[in-house]
Formats: sequence, structure tokens, C-alpha cells
Amino acid sequence: AQRVTQPEKLLSVFKGAPVELKCNYSYSGSPELFWYVQYSRQRLQLLLRHISRESIKGFTADLNKGETSFHLKKPFAQEEDSAMYYCALVTGGGNKLTFGTGTQLKVEL
Amino acid sequence: SAVISQKPSRDICQRGTSLTIQCQVDSQVTMMFWYRQQPGQSLTLIATANQGSEATYESGFVIDKFPISRPNLTFSTLTVSNMSPEDSSIYLCSAGRGSDTGELFFGEGSRLTVL
Repeated sequence: AQRVTQPEKLLSVFKGAPVELKCNYSYSGSPELFWYVQYSRQRLQLLLRHISRESIKGFTADLNKGETSFHLKKPFAQEEDSAMYYCALVTGGGNKLTFGTGTQLKVEL
Repeated sequence: SAVISQKPSRDICQRGTSLTIQCQVDSQVTMMFWYRQQPGQSLTLIATANQGSEATYESGFVIDKFPISRPNLTFSTLTVSNMSPEDSSIYLCSAGRGSDTGELFFGEGSRLTVL
């Protein structure tokens, strides 16, 4: 079965501390994974995709096929990182996505 | 990118009635989807809106309850029929170009409350 699991509903860290948002997936094919973010009062938007191996706003995510994980990391959290983060897996042609349950990141001063 | 407009942004509905949500994209897109986000839960895909043909529904969702139209490449509607309080949710329209795998653009959502 195709599934995306985000075990933490809420993650609270202090400004300047490292951040790791966990994501595990279950998929029989070759996975394509993404992180989406929703800031307060804004619409959901793409943060980064594993295939491009990019760093966006200081965030990176590495696909680990052995552990079936795609954790999102940032070495030093900023207040503006506070948002809802969703891990997503392509499960159909092109753009069809299955989302995890999301993790609310709260960066405290 | 693509900018997606949804309306209504919110509504309060009576049990047993139906409501149609409209979704307009500012440019032509290949794929359009409708998601539901129930309180405290993740986004669940309802269906893929296919241009000029019947929508493709996910398991647990049926056309009689959620009829969808997509008359052209920039517009789609979702109707929530015979509503009950369990249908209270945010309904999200999203679109993708197909060529850029996994990148979806989202509307701001339509928050429905069914009394």
C-alpha cells in the first residue's frame, strides 16, 4: 500500500536549534518525494523535491531508500520557519500526490 | 507557476443541501485535483478532474456524492451533494502541469460547515 507517515503532529524547537521533521514512506515502485509547506494564512506550496537535491530556505532532505525515509532538516531554525509541513509521495501519473498527516513546526524565541 | 482561485472561500450550509465550489486557474494546466482536509487531518485526494470526461475518483469517494466537472483546461467545479455534518471540511483545488512531476499549485481552500 502507498503510504506516507509523519510521526510527529507537533515539533517545537528554539530559534537556532537544529530541526528534523520525520517522514517515512511505503511504496512499491521508485519513489518520488516532496516536502510542502503551509505558512499561517497562506496556501500550501512546494518547498523542495528529492530529485533536485536542492536546499531551499536552508532546508534539505535526503531520500534514504534503505530506511524508506525522507526527513527534512535544517541546521539552525528561524522564527519564520514556523509552519505546517507535509511530506508527499507521487502515487500516480505526473502530479498525483499522497500526503502525510503533517507536522506543525513551532520555532520559539 | 499557476494561481488558483476558489470560491466560495467559506460557507455555512444546511444538512441535506448541495454546494458547488468553483476553481479557476490563471493559465492552462494539464491536471486538476480536488482534495479534502478534515479538521486536524491530512489532505485526502477526492478525485482527478479530467477535461471533457468523467472524473477519476479515489477509493471511498463516488460521483453521486461529489460530482465534478472540468469543461476546459482552466476551470473545474466540485459539488458536495446532500451534505451532512461529516462533510464539514476544507476542500482544496490543485493543479499541475504534468511535465513537472509532483509540483502542485493549490487554491486557498473552501471551508464548509454543515449544520
